[in-house]
Amino acid sequence: GQNIDQPTEMTATEGAIVQINCTYQTSGFNGLFWYQQHAGEAPTFLSYNVLDGLEEKGRFSSFLSRSKGYSYLLLKELQMKDSASYLCAVSDSNYQLIWGAGTKLIIKP
Amino acid sequence: AAGVIQSPRHLIKEKRETATLKCYPIPRHDTVYWYQQGPGQDPQFLISFYEKMQSDKGSIPDRFSAQQFSDYHSELNMSSLELGDSALYFCASSTGTGVYNEQFFGPGTRLTVL
Repeated sequence: GQNIDQPTEMTATEGAIVQINCTYQTSGFNGLFWYQQHAGEAPTFLSYNVLDGLEEKGRFSSFLSRSKGYSYLLLKELQMKDSASYLCAVSDSNYQLIWGAGTKLIIKP
Repeated sequence: AAGVIQSPRHLIKEKRETATLKCYPIPRHDTVYWYQQGPGQDPQFLISFYEKMQSDKGSIPDRFSAQQFSDYHSELNMSSLELGDSALYFCASSTGTGVYNEQFFGPGTRLTVL
């Protein structure tokens, strides 16, 4: 079966750095997405990785290792507005997005 | 920039009633996806359309049907509503099912079944 695993919840302090991990087992791989979702709102795109390595985009970076079926989202200089759920999703061989359950990130002052 | 539009934003129905949700994709996007998201759950893929044809099917109940029209907007029709159908329904659009098919999400329709 297809499976995406990520931690259910994480807590971090404002101004700090947090890394949210995602491991996956899917039938085929056509890229991995990270989305941010505030409660009751639509997911918004953060990053896309299809090749191994690190993609940096401002305070957010995403890393992929295809051989290990592993990705992480790194958030730096955390702000209170970063409190949200972070969803890892993999595009499988049919280009269908397989979603993780999301990681709820709680930022404390 | 134009975004995905969904209507209505909120909908309250009673059991066994029907509901129709509408989605207007970003201009020039030819693919539409429907997702159902229960409280505290990840989005569950229901169905997708590419160029007005069903392109993929997920966990969509038989009571639900959907279609994409010539102007690329899509409608999700839900019949014999059950309490468990209460959820956020998101529509997303993209420019086809290529390698980089970033999906842009609409604001969602919150359906409450009483």
